Amino acid sequence: NAGVTQTPKFQVLKTGQSMTLQCAQDMNHNSMYWYRQDPGMGLRLIYYSASEGTTDKGEVPNGYNVSRLNKREFSLRLESAAPSQTSVYFCASSEALRGSGGDETQYFGPGTRLLVL
Amino acid sequence: SQQGEEDPQALSIQEGENATMNCSYKTSINNLQWYRQNSGRGLVHLILIRSNEREKHSGRLRVTLDTSKKSSSLLITASRAADTASYFCATQGGSEKLVFGKGTKLTVNP
Repeated sequence: NAGVTQTPKFQVLKTGQSMTLQCAQDMNHNSMYWYRQDPGMGLRLIYYSASEGTTDKGEVPNGYNVSRLNKREFSLRLESAAPSQTSVYFCASSEALRGSGGDETQYFGPGTRLLVL
Repeated sequence: SQQGEEDPQALSIQEGENATMNCSYKTSINNLQWYRQNSGRGLVHLILIRSNEREKHSGRLRVTLDTSKKSSSLLITASRAADTASYFCATQGGSEKLVFGKGTKLTVNP
């Protein structure tokens, strides 16, 4: 099992360009998440998907959109990239159905390093 | 917010010594989890302790939880250079999402 995979590993964009970060998990997990990690800020939740067909905003959703394509895949789109979106992006998944009260142990992908010039 | 906050922000020790990191949080929780992040990699789950547990062990890891003080500690015994990483606590309350702290950066010198 590959666990959680992310593509690309590294990307450079110019301000105003768009791109989609891809994430896939092969653990049959219900919930998936997108985080950004910036120095001194820890992990901040951008969007999450509690189950196939549902998505919800996290702490810092502005400038991003997501799509839960199926149970395996959860993509993050930047429609018009800004330098403030320079960050490392992590996708994660958990078996628990959010809201079920189950333990939400999360499994992380290796990350995508994004530089917006 | 029930975000955990780790203390210290950075810790440097010699190989073989014990490393202790602390986490404080603000509201009631169902469980508290610790994760490790090696440089340039994703987070890896280490251990979960539930609100009705006081102590848990996993190999060289020992986690304690004091819900009256809203705090937890992670002890790594007999540290190794390979333990060099950032360590994050994360709290989960009720049906709420997991909320991560900002991490403690541990350096173990050979």
